[in-house]
Amino acid sequence: GENVEQHPSTLSVQEGDSAVIKCTYSDSASNYFPWYKQELGKRPQLIIDIRSNVGEKKDQRIAVTLNKTAKHFSLHITETQPEDSAVYFCAGLSGYSTLTFGKGTMLLVSP
Amino acid sequence: DGGITQSPKYLFRKEGQNVTLSCEQNLNHDAMYWYRQDPGQGLRLIYYSQIVNDFQKGDIAEGYSVSREKKESFPLTVTSAQKNPTAFYLCASSGQLNTEAFFGQGTRLTVV
Repeated sequence: GENVEQHPSTLSVQEGDSAVIKCTYSDSASNYFPWYKQELGKRPQLIIDIRSNVGEKKDQRIAVTLNKTAKHFSLHITETQPEDSAVYFCAGLSGYSTLTFGKGTMLLVSP
Repeated sequence: DGGITQSPKYLFRKEGQNVTLSCEQNLNHDAMYWYRQDPGQGLRLIYYSQIVNDFQKGDIAEGYSVSREKKESFPLTVTSAQKNPTAFYLCASSGQLNTEAFFGQGTRLTVV
């Protein structure tokens, strides 16, 4: 089945800086890669996703890039704000059609 | 809020007892999932179901059981065979392949 590795496990940035979280996947047949944000004590919520037929997708301050050859994808957050502080999970759609999640990145944005 | 509801939010269980966590969705989604979340472990798949009356084991199914008698409901039973049941449990649903999964608000289970 699919294996998703996520780095770093924690990331601290100053407000206004950019943040980058990287994930690698093992199953070359995976074709859907969502990113979820989980605030403390709350449910994960989708913030952006990308399918294997595109290399990049943007939504205001967040963007995701996908390199199918290298089997990795990354989340980019620009002009970070304190409310961006949360745990971020990447995921890949595995061969039996269930999402496999990375272990998460705790992002802390300091004012 | 959300369309997928888990209950209760907090649950305490004595060792040796079975306990059932509820998950209900009104999104008309075919697929439903149960994940377990432990600190530093991300989200690990317990069971999933893609249609009524059918379900499959995930990566950590031992000590758990599920049923899918109705499209809207996917309850999870944590049995006494689960050696370390204290965790945060998340239910999710999705409509089709390659689409967004919606999560419930979670149930925090503590064994006392």
